[in-house]
Amino acid sequence: IAGITQAPTSQILAAGRRMTLRCTQDMRHNAMYWYRQDLGLGLRLIHYSNTAGTTGKGEVPDGYSVSRANTDDFPLTLASAVPSQTSVYFCASSPTPGTGELFFGEGSRLTVL
Amino acid sequence: QKEVEQNSGPLSVPEGAIASLNCTYSDRGSQSFFWYRQYSGKSPELIMFIYSNGDKEDGRFTAQLNKASQYVSLLIRDSQPSDSATYLCALWRSGGSNYKLTFGKGTLLTVNP
Repeated sequence: IAGITQAPTSQILAAGRRMTLRCTQDMRHNAMYWYRQDLGLGLRLIHYSNTAGTTGKGEVPDGYSVSRANTDDFPLTLASAVPSQTSVYFCASSPTPGTGELFFGEGSRLTVL
Repeated sequence: QKEVEQNSGPLSVPEGAIASLNCTYSDRGSQSFFWYRQYSGKSPELIMFIYSNGDKEDGRFTAQLNKASQYVSLLIRDSQPSDSATYLCALWRSGGSNYKLTFGKGTLLTVNP
């Protein structure tokens, strides 16, 4: 089934540890995004990539990094996790950049203790 | 005024009724408007988008846009319990090579059998 696969689905992490959330899509979409969703704050864009080889900062990029080595993969790395990064993380993609028509993965629930 | 405002709800309607979900926005440069549905514990999925003033119908769903009054709404006719979810309004605007997609915090809809 075509779509976006995120891993892990859920993770508990000690503060200070490094963590990479994986995202893979098989729709050959050019643009990919990472959002976090927190109660009362809604969806906020962390980083995005308009095409393979390029990335950009979103609304809340601090403490996160991304890479886009190829079209399909867009991992999100927390270099040194902090409790405020406890959230549900969604990876999304769109056929082209500059559209609001996003396809979302199932999410990764991260708890930082 | 916040960029995108939605009544958090919960909005409760009886089965078979019309559910009306509203969204107001402050950025007059917003060009496209999207409605996403998010079931509890799941990821958002796009259900409708609208670019022009007026109504756009898709099955039981109607999106309404009034740019002069800066609001967009989603009507769900013949509401079903399976429509119970959080509905997210999102606005898109572009500016040269940049663009921005802003999500509201969502309205929780409950359809009672």
